[in-house]
Amino acid sequence: AQKITQTQPGMFVQEKEAVTLDCTYDTSDPSYGLFWYKQPSSGEMIFLIYQGSYDQQNATEGRYSLNFQKARKSANLVISASQLGDSAMYFCAMRDSSGYALNFGKGTSLLVTP
Amino acid sequence: NAGVTQTPKFQVLKTGQSMTLQCAQDMNHNSMYWYRQDPGMGLRLIYYSASEGTTDKGEVPNGYNVSRLNKREFSLRLESAAPSQTSVYFCASRGQGTEAFFGQGTRLTVV
Repeated sequence: AQKITQTQPGMFVQEKEAVTLDCTYDTSDPSYGLFWYKQPSSGEMIFLIYQGSYDQQNATEGRYSLNFQKARKSANLVISASQLGDSAMYFCAMRDSSGYALNFGKGTSLLVTP
Repeated sequence: NAGVTQTPKFQVLKTGQSMTLQCAQDMNHNSMYWYRQDPGMGLRLIYYSASEGTTDKGEVPNGYNVSRLNKREFSLRLESAAPSQTSVYFCASRGQGTEAFFGQGTRLTVV
C-alpha cells in the first residue's frame, strides 16, 4: 500500500523568503507520479507541479520547484520568493503504478508573514 | 469552462437519511474520484473510477456507494447517513498523463 507523509502540520515564512515543504512517500512500484496542490482558505484545489518517477530533471513551474530525491523517497516543494497569497494548505499526492489511484498526504498549512 | 461540477454545494442530513452527491466533468477524462476532507486528515480517497464501467474502493469506502453513470458522471451515494460522514466531499477527474481537476466541494453535515 502506498503512503504519503507530510510531517509539517504548519509552517511560517516571511514574505520574499524561500520555503521548503516536506513530502515523503512509500511505494514499491517503480512507476509513479507525484503532485503538489494548493488549497487556499476559499477551499478550491489548485494544481501546482508534477514529477514522474522516471523524470531525470526536477520539475519547475515558475516560483515552484520540486526537490525530488528518489533514493530518499522524498519530493519536497520549494516555493521561492514567498508572497502573502501563498498562505494556504499544501498537499502532496501520489499516483500509483496503475496510473489511476491518487492518494494525498495530510497537508501542511503555510502562513506567509509580512 | 465548467470543468468539474458538483452538486449540491451544501447539505444538511438527519442521521439515517440517504442522499446522492452528483459530479460531472466536461473534459472527456477517463478517471474520476471521490474524496472526503476532514480537519487534520487531508484528502482521503473514498472510491475512484479508472474508466467508464469500472469502480474501485479507495482508503475509506465504508458507508458509501458509487455509480459511474457514463464517462461524464460519477455519483456518490450515502444510503444511511451517520454523523461520522460529516465532511467536505470533493469530486475530481483526471485524463491520461494529466493532473487531477477538482470540483468546488460539497459541505455535508449529518445531525
